[in-house]
Amino acid sequence: GENVEQHPSTLSVQEGDSAVIKCTYSDSASNYFPWYKQELGKRPQLIIDIRSNVGEKKDQRIAVTLNKTAKHFSLHITETQPEDSAVYFCAASETGANSKLTFGKGITLSVRP
Amino acid sequence: IAGITQAPTSQILAAGRRMTLRCTQDMRHNAMYWYRQDLGLGLRLIHYSNTAGTTGKGEVPDGYSVSRANTDDFPLTLASAVPSQTSVYFCASSDRAQAGDEQFFGPGTRLTVL
Repeated sequence: GENVEQHPSTLSVQEGDSAVIKCTYSDSASNYFPWYKQELGKRPQLIIDIRSNVGEKKDQRIAVTLNKTAKHFSLHITETQPEDSAVYFCAASETGANSKLTFGKGITLSVRP
Repeated sequence: IAGITQAPTSQILAAGRRMTLRCTQDMRHNAMYWYRQDLGLGLRLIHYSNTAGTTGKGEVPDGYSVSRANTDDFPLTLASAVPSQTSVYFCASSDRAQAGDEQFFGPGTRLTVL
């Protein structure tokens, strides 16, 4: 089955700096890669996703890049703000019927004011 | 009801007791999921249902059972709770039974088994 790994487990950046969170996956058949954000005590929420037919996707201050050859994808957050502090989960899956997401263990991002 | 809800919000349970966690969605989503979240382990799929009347096992199904009698409800039952089932449980739903659709999560149930 799929195995998704996130490194590092924690990341601390200064407000205004950029943050990059990386994930690797094992199953070359995976072609859907979402990122979820979970604020303290809240539910996970989808913030951006990418499919394998594109290499990069951007939405305001966040972007995701995908390297299928190397089997890794990254979340990029520019001009970080304190409200970006949260746990970020990456996930991977095939997109066929009955396919299921496999989540990474999560990375805690802290943005220092 | 708006979106997806879970009950109870939190519960302390004695080991060996039976417990049902409730999940209801009003989005008419076909697929529903139960995850447990443990520190350092991320979100792990317990059981899922692709449509009313069908269920399937996820990554960590042992000790749990589910039913899907209708589209809206997806209860998770612990037949005889054990301390290792102490966790935060999230229910989620998506429009279709494929990972390419966004999953919407409920607010979670914090369960402590003593």
